[in-house]
Amino acid sequence: DVQMTQFPSSLSASVGDRVTITCRASESVSRWVSWYQQKPGEAPKLLISKASMVASGVPSRFSGSGSGTHYTLTISSLQPDDFAAYYCLLYVSHSRTFGQGTLVELK
Amino acid sequence: QVQLVQSGAEMKKPGSSVRLSCRASGGSFSSDAICWVRRAPGKGLEWMGRIVPILGTANYAQSFQGRVTITADQSTSTTYMQMTNLRSEDTAVYYCARDVSSVLGFDIWGQGTTVTVSS
Repeated sequence: DVQMTQFPSSLSASVGDRVTITCRASESVSRWVSWYQQKPGEAPKLLISKASMVASGVPSRFSGSGSGTHYTLTISSLQPDDFAAYYCLLYVSHSRTFGQGTLVELK
Repeated sequence: QVQLVQSGAEMKKPGSSVRLSCRASGGSFSSDAICWVRRAPGKGLEWMGRIVPILGTANYAQSFQGRVTITADQSTSTTYMQMTNLRSEDTAVYYCARDVSSVLGFDIWGQGTTVTVSS
């Protein structure tokens, strides 16, 4: 099975900071990666699909990139509404695997 | 705009079973899949399995194979997730979500159902 490793598990940042979260697959996955944001008490929200396609209504400060085994989610300028947990999701055939998650906290 | 509406909170004893529902409101099932995801306290999101309602075919994560069954009723646009032999570690919020093959993402989520397993 393809494994997904997400890091860091948590980070502290300030408003205005640039934040990067990484997911690394155990083998090449052809950009079959999406990214989600989850706030306490809420359902997750799709941010990015197919590695770099920004979902409708998502602010332009969110971007995704990557290929092969290495994928990143970048928040160009962290806003107060962005303090949340973030997850990558890998598609492989009929199976899906979430990364372990990254908690973005206020420094 | 399709919404996914989930059934209410459940409290169960260890060893029992639970059946959760997820109804597509404001639309019907397309050719996309509906998946189930859970988040246990202090843990991350965990994909459990998916079903393509128009085909009735389901796939499961290895860790849930044999204990989880996902079914769909096209006439009511409702998907069900049944889990047997519940244990305390199954205490979690369970979500259904639409799994869109054309974008490779889960674009619509239910509001979540809390399942508490305790003696």
